[in-house]
Amino acid sequence: EVQLVESGGGLVQPGRSLRLSCAASGFTFDDYAMHWVRQAPGKGLEWVSGISWNSGSIGYADSVKGRFTISRDNAKNSLYLQMNSLRAEDTALYYCAKVFDPRVSAFDIWGQGTMVTVSS
Amino acid sequence: SYVLTQPPSVSVAPGQTARITCGGNNIGSKSVHWYQQKPGQAPVLVVYDDSDRPSGIPERFSGSNSGNTATLTISRVEAGDEADYYCQVWDSSSDQMVFGGGTKLTVL
Repeated sequence: EVQLVESGGGLVQPGRSLRLSCAASGFTFDDYAMHWVRQAPGKGLEWVSGISWNSGSIGYADSVKGRFTISRDNAKNSLYLQMNSLRAEDTALYYCAKVFDPRVSAFDIWGQGTMVTVSS
Repeated sequence: SYVLTQPPSVSVAPGQTARITCGGNNIGSKSVHWYQQKPGQAPVLVVYDDSDRPSGIPERFSGSNSGNTATLTISRVEAGDEADYYCQVWDSSSDQMVFGGGTKLTVL
């Protein structure tokens, strides 16, 4: 079964850091780009960051650029998101998502998400 | 940055056809993807590359894209189609993925 499982969320104070992880199984992880997408409570989807299969291409939303770092370990079938200088507006459910196909920029597999709450 | 505009809500009676639009500057030149999200669940891809369906998605879901508007069409709407729907593209100029604001589909 193709599966993505996020972990690492929690309650953190403004200005602090948090590292999210996403464990992949059921597919050849290093064949696919991977992304993080977040959803603030009661709000819509917001793309956060993406990384190519070999980490050669990385992108960030303007709202997190310079604060968040995406990475992956293909040997461990894992995706990461290092989040620094967290703000209240970063509070959201964070999903990791797999691209449908190397040529298609859609997300066909999503995890269930890990909740990040930034509050003092 | 590229902006996608969706109506906040669409209502339709069971058995009728729902059309959800996604507006963007020259969106017809981009590949548009659509997601369905039900409360408390992760999004599900229902249409990719404007009009293709992943396996397991009913033929009732279809898409089109031309000019400045992409459209998700749901035929013979069922109560189970009630959900939030999001369009998404990749903006090559900024190398960023972009989501629309989402549309809540209500089945009357």
